[in-house]
Amino acid sequence: EDQVTQSPEALRLQEGESSSLNCSYTVSGLRGLFWYRQDPGKGPEFLFTLYSAGEEKEKERLKATLTKKESFLHITAPKPEDSATYLCAVQPGGADGLTFGKGTHLIIQP
Amino acid sequence: KAGVTQTPRYLIKTRGQQVTLSCSPISGHRSVSWYQQTPGQGLQFLFEYFSETQRNKGNFPGRFSGRQFSNSRSEMNVSTLELGDSALYLCASSPNSYTQPQHFGDGTRLSIL
Repeated sequence: EDQVTQSPEALRLQEGESSSLNCSYTVSGLRGLFWYRQDPGKGPEFLFTLYSAGEEKEKERLKATLTKKESFLHITAPKPEDSATYLCAVQPGGADGLTFGKGTHLIIQP
Repeated sequence: KAGVTQTPRYLIKTRGQQVTLSCSPISGHRSVSWYQQTPGQGLQFLFEYFSETQRNKGNFPGRFSGRQFSNSRSEMNVSTLELGDSALYLCASSPNSYTQPQHFGDGTRLSIL
């Protein structure tokens, strides 16, 4: 069974304090790994797609990396507007929908 | 470019009733997927439609069904509503391929009394 585990469940940082969010996965043939950001009352907003181990993607203060068993979302010098729930999802090799982790609730304090 | 549009945004129903939710995908997107989001289970895949055909289905009872029209708009139906069906129902669209990211709407919040 495909599984995605995100840690920590919640993280509180001071503005400017860099950190990393973890996404561990077990999947039968990975087609792609996706990172989303979700704000309260909104749907998930797409951030990155990673397809193979060693791949990295960057966008502003965010950088996503992928290994064979996990992905990291690195947040550098975060700002309060980076506060959100960050979701990781995998697209398995079969004809299934995305399998999501439970998310990391990130709070950046000014 | 307009995003994924879901209607209605909020809905209140009672047990035993049925409900239909609507989703208009991003223009040009042919794949539409539906997800249920609850605090306890997170986001769970319901089903996916492509070219008016159900391509994939998650592990939900037959009370949950859907369809897609020729213009790629999709509807989701839940019959004989139960209290546990209270959730945020999210629709996502993608152009075609499984490896292309899905883009989500803001969901329909369904509350069952």
